[in-house]
Amino acid sequence: GQSLEQPSEVTAVEGAIVQINCTYQTSGFYGLSWYQQHDGGAPTFLSYNALDGLEETGRFSSFLSRSDSYGYLLLQELQMKDSASYFCAVSSGGYQKVTFGTGTKLQVIP
Amino acid sequence: GAVVSQHPSWVICKSGTSVKIECRSLDFQATTMFWYRQFPKQSLMLMATSNEGSKATYEQGVEKDKFLINHASLTLSTLTVTSAHPEDSSFYICSALYRDRRSSYNSPLHFGNGTRLTVT
Repeated sequence: GQSLEQPSEVTAVEGAIVQINCTYQTSGFYGLSWYQQHDGGAPTFLSYNALDGLEETGRFSSFLSRSDSYGYLLLQELQMKDSASYFCAVSSGGYQKVTFGTGTKLQVIP
Repeated sequence: GAVVSQHPSWVICKSGTSVKIECRSLDFQATTMFWYRQFPKQSLMLMATSNEGSKATYEQGVEKDKFLINHASLTLSTLTVTSAHPEDSSFYICSALYRDRRSSYNSPLHFGNGTRLTVT
């Protein structure tokens, strides 16, 4: 089966940089993605890595090391609206099902 | 683009009744649709994977006779919670992806807005 681990909570100051780590165990790995979810809402896609290295999308960047089964999401210039839960997710298997990690609740403080 | 519409957004039903939730991809043909369940302050748990025209693949521990999934077309999947009980109260979220014809890569998941089910 699949398992993913993330820190449960992170607190950071507005304007700062924060890194959320994710380690995973899976078979048939295709890629690692990151989703943001505000309380009461549905997840929204942030970033996806199929190959090793860094992907940058505006203030958000995501990194993957397939050999280490490890990735992270980097959020720069934090804003109050970034307070949300962040999930890493692995795509695996023939239909590329997506399995979510435990989620990290990010609190941005002034 | 890549909008997924899910209805209803919330529903309250009595114990023993059935509830149907619809998930539609509005501007793309979904290769695969997924149904997730999320309890408060927890992660999204995959319930089943659904491909058009074929039977859904259920995750271990999910009762296929209780959670009926129908994927009649490339743009519509339904989840029916049969004989609902209070412990079925949860946030149910569908998602869909498509395969990019040029790259042959799957798109990221596109989520519906979820359905909050309360069984009394």
